[in-house]
Amino acid sequence: DAGVIQSPRHEVTEMGQEVTLRCKPISGHDYLFWYRQTMMRGLELLIYFNNNVPIDDSGMPEDRFSAKMPNASFSTLKIQPSEPRDSAVYFCASSLQGANEAFFGQGTRLTVV
Amino acid sequence: GEDVEQSLFLSVREGDSSVINCTYTDSSSTYLYWYKQEPGAGLQLLTYIFSNMDMKQDQRLTVLLNKKDKHLSLRIADTQTGDSAIYFCAGPSGGYNKLIFGAGTRLAVHP
Repeated sequence: DAGVIQSPRHEVTEMGQEVTLRCKPISGHDYLFWYRQTMMRGLELLIYFNNNVPIDDSGMPEDRFSAKMPNASFSTLKIQPSEPRDSAVYFCASSLQGANEAFFGQGTRLTVV
Repeated sequence: GEDVEQSLFLSVREGDSSVINCTYTDSSSTYLYWYKQEPGAGLQLLTYIFSNMDMKQDQRLTVLLNKKDKHLSLRIADTQTGDSAIYFCAGPSGGYNKLIFGAGTRLAVHP
């Protein structure tokens, strides 16, 4: 397996634009997590899914953020409209069980100007 | 709520030992993890310890767990410049099937 795959690796967008981040988890992993990493706040869990169902979205900062998992091999994190304070590295991770070892993607570095 | 805390920065000389500390609040944690993040990369699992163990050694890495004080540490022997990275401790959150990460300790190794 190639591991968790995220795209794009880098995204630069203008304030107000819609941004969509994509993630392909490791095949067979039932849990998928979206994290955001900034210098100020460290690593924050935004939302996680179990068997494609969102379980805990308490970390999603605002209604501008939404996440979907239409099938076991694909998830998206969407920001609409984007703002400069959304600039961060967004990581997707997957695991066999929620609290067990999580495998991380390389991250998407988002810059909103 | 559940929390995992770490010191933010550690600087050591090449060849010395590094000790990175972490405290956690969830007493029901079964496994506790150490992740490493190199510049521009995602987090990778470095090592882990099961909660019924006090110590685990893996080559240059030693993990110590003090369950009474809810304190976890990672010792890196003979620290090398390639060990420069951010180190995260993580544990399960009580009642929720997810991992909670500390803020990360940035380890800087200088000659």
